[in-house]
Parts: sequence; structure tokens; C-alpha cells
Amino acid sequence: ETGVTQTPRHLVMGMTNKKSLKCEQHLGHNAMYWYKQSAKKPLELMFVYSLEERVENNSVPSRFSPECPNSSHLFLHLHTLQPEDSALYLCASSQDGTSGQETQYFGPGTRLLVL
Amino acid sequence: GENVEQHPSTLSVQEGDSAVIKCTYSDSASNYFPWYKQELGKRPQLIIDIRSNVGEKKDQRIAVTLNKTAKHFSLHITETQPEDSAVYFCAAHDSGSARQLTFGSGTQLTVLP
Repeated sequence: ETGVTQTPRHLVMGMTNKKSLKCEQHLGHNAMYWYKQSAKKPLELMFVYSLEERVENNSVPSRFSPECPNSSHLFLHLHTLQPEDSALYLCASSQDGTSGQETQYFGPGTRLLVL
Repeated sequence: GENVEQHPSTLSVQEGDSAVIKCTYSDSASNYFPWYKQELGKRPQLIIDIRSNVGEKKDQRIAVTLNKTAKHFSLHITETQPEDSAVYFCAAHDSGSARQLTFGSGTQLTVLP
């Protein structure tokens, strides 16, 4: 599947490192999302961008910094993470992003391990 | 905001039997309820959704029912097959300021051959 791609697929980083996750969508959508998926927990919405403008920030710690340079690309910049931040980070896109009532298309995720 | 609870967390059925997964939600104004399937090591994918103007929707072996009065909705899979084994997530639309989806905690369905 090539609709929504994410890189890297796996990432190991120390608590003092700085890294970035990248997401790209090839569906012509206007909205993009970052989710955190931890074991045995619901998908946690982190950020939503609609037409490159952030429309939602679910009280995410500042050590996570999103960037959306255009409607096809979304980044998540990471710095001074904690071990509890280890999780699968999923990117998604949808047509609009302002109603919450659309199909979201997910990327394969980045498996992050913080040591 | 919306709160979604999903049960059971794990479910095992024999191939050919039916499986039912239930979710409850808190926001009475929610009007969109999708179900996503996530196979092991793969991305979540929408399998079916329902809006509050209907009580039931079917797509081949999959059906979803919605009871707005009781604020719960269920996924029904009939004639289960091994390839139905996956984690299933329900979600509900948050009608408040977030206007986004709130997901349940997931159900690991295992279909035993």
C-alpha cells in the first residue's frame, strides 16, 4: 500500500537524542493526524492538521513537536523523550479533518523505542 | 469529551461461529461510529461505519448495530474465518471542541481453525 507512508519504520533513540518522524500521503487529502498507540490502550490522538493549520493538540508534552509544511507531509520532531514514550506512532490522513466524521487512512507506523 | 469503552478485550471463537464486540460511548451528540481492523504488524483499516440516522448496516459477513438511546454499538462478524483474526477498534465521533474520533481500547479476536 502506498497511500500513506511513514519513515523510519523502526527507531531506537536515547533520551538525549533528537530525531524526526516523517509521514507522507498520496491521497490528495487535506488533513493529517499523529496518533500514539501503546499496548492495551486506545489509540491516542496527538495532533491534527487541516490545510496545514494545526486544529487539535491533545495536551501533548512539548518534547513532541509537529510540523506540517504542506498538505502532503507531516513531521513529528522528538527531543529529550522518556522511556514511557516508547510506542507505535501512527500517521493518518483524511479528506477534510474538521468534522471527525470521515474515513481516516493510516500509515504503517513507526515503532519507537526510547532507552 | 467523548469516552468510549470496548468489550471484550480478547475474544476467541471457532471458525464458522459468530463474533460480537460491543462499545459504549458517553457523548449523546455523537453521530458517527467507525470500526477499524488492525492485523498483526499492519496498519488500522476501516471495515465498516454507521451514522446515527440508521440502526444497522451490513457488508457481507460484517454488520454494525447502533442503539442511540442506550449509547452503544456493536460489531457482528458471522461465519468467521482465520483471516478475521486481528485487533478491532471501535470509535465514536466527539461532537465537542475536539470534533475528532475517540477510540476504544481494542479487541483481540482469534479465530481458531
